[in-house]
Amino acid sequence: AQRVTQPEKLLSVFKGAPVELKCNYSYSGSPELFWYVQYSRQRLQLLLRHISRESIKGFTADLNKGETSFHLKKPFAQEEDSAMYYCALSDTGNQFYFGTGTSLTVIP
Amino acid sequence: GAGVSQSPSNKVTEKGKDVELRCDPISGHTALYWYRQSLGQGLEFLIYFQGNSAPDKSGLPSDRFSAERTGGSVSTLTIQRTQQEDSAVYLCASSSGGRAHNEQFFGPGTRLTVL
Repeated sequence: AQRVTQPEKLLSVFKGAPVELKCNYSYSGSPELFWYVQYSRQRLQLLLRHISRESIKGFTADLNKGETSFHLKKPFAQEEDSAMYYCALSDTGNQFYFGTGTSLTVIP
Repeated sequence: GAGVSQSPSNKVTEKGKDVELRCDPISGHTALYWYRQSLGQGLEFLIYFQGNSAPDKSGLPSDRFSAERTGGSVSTLTIQRTQQEDSAVYLCASSSGGRAHNEQFFGPGTRLTVL
């Protein structure tokens, strides 16, 4: 069963515009949710996790249990935000489930 | 300090051959994960090692896949009798503990091509 869904494979926004990368999950317990990012020719790395309630590089993500969503948002996109973004869920067994990823392009 | 390393970076093999992929985690990290990244499929969990506990092998796609971790450090993922559908990037990640919220640090991956 698909636990993490990222409906957009590709997303393009203009520099300075708001951006939202969607993530929906399916899990009956209390999940731990993450966003990972892979910049061009770099390794996959953690961007943020919901338990930290932090803002990294201007990005935030709020866990909405009612809508089972964990969308990633940034009010003003920058060119350096162009990358591949993966939403991930971890269950109580420490197994991780990643979405298929969204490729974000910020147009100058 | 050194991050997670993987070798080889690229591997081309013929269908039916066995391959071994190596992962060197960050020193001191007790948790180690293997993933497969296929085009359009995202990251597929394969196997998880935590300390000396029995590994979670629930993600391995078939009995042709196996992995071991020697001395709680280096891990080897073995694919026997490779098939063309095994072609993918294989990623290894390590973290400092078994708690799910611990950050995973990823290696650069091994790109496997089965001809």
